[in-house]
Amino acid sequence: DAGITQSPRHKVTETGTPVTLRCHQTENHRYMYWYRQDPGHGLRLIHYSYGVKDTDKGEVSDGYSVSRSKTEDFLLTLESATSSQTSVYFCAISESSDRETQYFGPGTRLLVL
Amino acid sequence: GQNIDQPTEMTATEGAIVQINCTYQTSGFNGLFWYQQHAGEAPTFLSYNVLDGLEEKGRFSSFLSRSKGYSYLLLKELQMKDSASYLCAARTDSWGKLQFGAGTQVVVTP
Repeated sequence: DAGITQSPRHKVTETGTPVTLRCHQTENHRYMYWYRQDPGHGLRLIHYSYGVKDTDKGEVSDGYSVSRSKTEDFLLTLESATSSQTSVYFCAISESSDRETQYFGPGTRLLVL
Repeated sequence: GQNIDQPTEMTATEGAIVQINCTYQTSGFNGLFWYQQHAGEAPTFLSYNVLDGLEEKGRFSSFLSRSKGYSYLLLKELQMKDSASYLCAARTDSWGKLQFGAGTQVVVTP
C-alpha cells in the first residue's frame, strides 16, 4: 500500500469556522490531489498539486484553498465551512500525471453543522 | 461537458460472472481506470486501460474501446468479498485529472 495518511480522520465543526485537512505521503510522489465524495456524485476533484508550491483548481474548487510547502504534505483549507461541504474527503498521490495510477488515502469524514 | 455513466447497482450470485459497463464522454482522454471501494474505505486500484482491448488480472478483466467511448469490468468467480462499489474513471488530461462515474454497487448473494 502507498504510504498516505490523512488527518483528522473524522471532524465535526460548525458553519463559519475554518477547517484544515492534512494529507501526508512518504512516497516522494510529485502529484497530489484532493477529492470529495458525495452520494450520487462519485469522486470530484477539488484541487491538485504538481510540485511544491504548484497547485491548480479542479472541478469543485469554490470555498476551498490548498497549500503545498513540502513534497510530503498537501493541505486543504475550508476558509469558512458551510453545510454543503459536509462530505468525505480523499487525498490521492501519483508518481507521474500521465502514466501512473493514483493511490488514495483513507479519507476524512467531515460534518459541518 | 464531461460525462461518465455506469449502472447504479448490480446483483449476482456467488461463483457467477458480472460485467459492469461504463460509457464516457470527455473533452480529453488519456486512459480509463477501475477502482474498487468497500463501504467506509478508500478506493483501491483494480485496472488501467489506455489502448483498445482486454487486460486480464486474475479474476478481474477490463476492456476498452476508445472509438466507442466504452469500457467494462468483468468479475469472474464472484466471492462474497467482491461486494463493493466499483468506480469507473477517465483520465482527461496530462495533469492526471480523473473524472469519475458515480459508481456501481455490486451485491453478491450466497
